[in-house]
Amino acid sequence: GESVGLHLPTLSVQEGDNSIINCAYSNSASDYFIWYKQESGKGPQFIIDIRSNMDKRQGQRVTVLLNKTVKHLSLQIAATQPGDSAVYFCAENSGGYQKVTFGIGTKLQVIP
Amino acid sequence: GAGVSQSPRYKVAKRGQDVALRCDPISGHVSLFWYQQALGQGPEFLTYFQNEAQLDKSGLPSDRFFAERPEGSVSTLKIQRTQQEDSAVYLCASREIGTLNTEAFFGQGTRLTVV
Repeated sequence: GESVGLHLPTLSVQEGDNSIINCAYSNSASDYFIWYKQESGKGPQFIIDIRSNMDKRQGQRVTVLLNKTVKHLSLQIAATQPGDSAVYFCAENSGGYQKVTFGIGTKLQVIP
Repeated sequence: GAGVSQSPRYKVAKRGQDVALRCDPISGHVSLFWYQQALGQGPEFLTYFQNEAQLDKSGLPSDRFFAERPEGSVSTLKIQRTQQEDSAVYLCASREIGTLNTEAFFGQGTRLTVV
């Protein structure tokens, strides 16, 4: 089937290694950030979020870091597994009704 | 239902044909968004509803695109006189609360191919 991430930056990681996916956001007024995972043929799936009053948040095998000074987000995935292979998008909520604006995605390829 | 449901999953339209794409949001969700995702790109915002009110349609690419949510639940995105550049995946998302920082849940999308 068609791939979601044909033209996106690609990160190749060995199974079991840690992955770090980076994202720059543009709107300094954004106060809520989300990482989404999108597998081919599916809609974006929520992974983890962080509010602007925090700089780090941890979930199961995932950690999000927020640096508001340079408007940068990162997603760290520990012990990457083949099932983690997908396109990852950072997104920000902004505006009065919290429109979700997506950043440039990164395609994660896990090498068995 | 358990999640956001979109139909049809796939639609092939001849150029010039009108199409209607349906979104069933999660029950009780106030906010509803439509996005367009071209191949290899991230989703791009089209329009936003809060209940039945369309509060933002700034992302609709032309007046051939029209969206409605008459009873504040199911929404339909209509594209008139489809063109090849309309080929994309159309994603619908809903969120429980209109303004607080909560996640939006996405459907699987409708893949539209205009031939």
